[in-house]
Amino acid sequence: AQSVTQLDSQVPVFEEAPVELRCNYSSSVSVYLFWYVQYPNQGLQLLLKYLSGSTLVKGINGFEAEFNKSQTSFHLRKPSVHISDTAEYFCAVSETGFQKLVFGTGTRLLVSP
Amino acid sequence: DADVTQTPRNRITKTGKRIMLECSQTKGHDRMYWYRQDPGLGLRLIYYSFDVKDINKGEISDGYSVSRQAQAKFSLSLESAIPNQTALYFCATSGGPNYGYTFGSGTRLTVV
Repeated sequence: AQSVTQLDSQVPVFEEAPVELRCNYSSSVSVYLFWYVQYPNQGLQLLLKYLSGSTLVKGINGFEAEFNKSQTSFHLRKPSVHISDTAEYFCAVSETGFQKLVFGTGTRLLVSP
Repeated sequence: DADVTQTPRNRITKTGKRIMLECSQTKGHDRMYWYRQDPGLGLRLIYYSFDVKDINKGEISDGYSVSRQAQAKFSLSLESAIPNQTALYFCATSGGPNYGYTFGSGTRLTVV
């Protein structure tokens, strides 16, 4: 079975600073990896995904993530955050059969001026 | 119209009552899911369905049941609601890994 660990429950950062949200996964089989964002009082929106190929994937809103198989990690990064990036971010994993997603517990990104 | 519509958006119900949460999607996808979100616990899978005849339990299905009335409709029922079922419930649909999930806006359920 797959599992996901998001090491930080909350990450405070100043506007225009870089940020990294950490995600580690556990699986005995090949996986697909996803990052979702949840703005206040909304559903979840897909930021980016890794299915195969290049380990550096780019998503919406200037976010990118790097798949590291040896470290079993899929950390999310943005070089310069905006106030509007304040939200909760969820990492998720599925086996390559893609029957279902297993989510991490989420990281709340708090961007202040 | 939203791709995934959940009704109601908010609901307060009493302990012991039966309640149904409804979900419909216009994406034309076969796969549909119900998750609940609790603070600090992320999203946990309750049930999922790959077509109208295929229903599968997730990690926390006890106390819940589902009905897949059509490709586009997937309902979640709480047969006898209890306070620890107070949560934010999300329905999602997927056409496969290239699509990821498309989520509804959620139903906030409070059991008093």
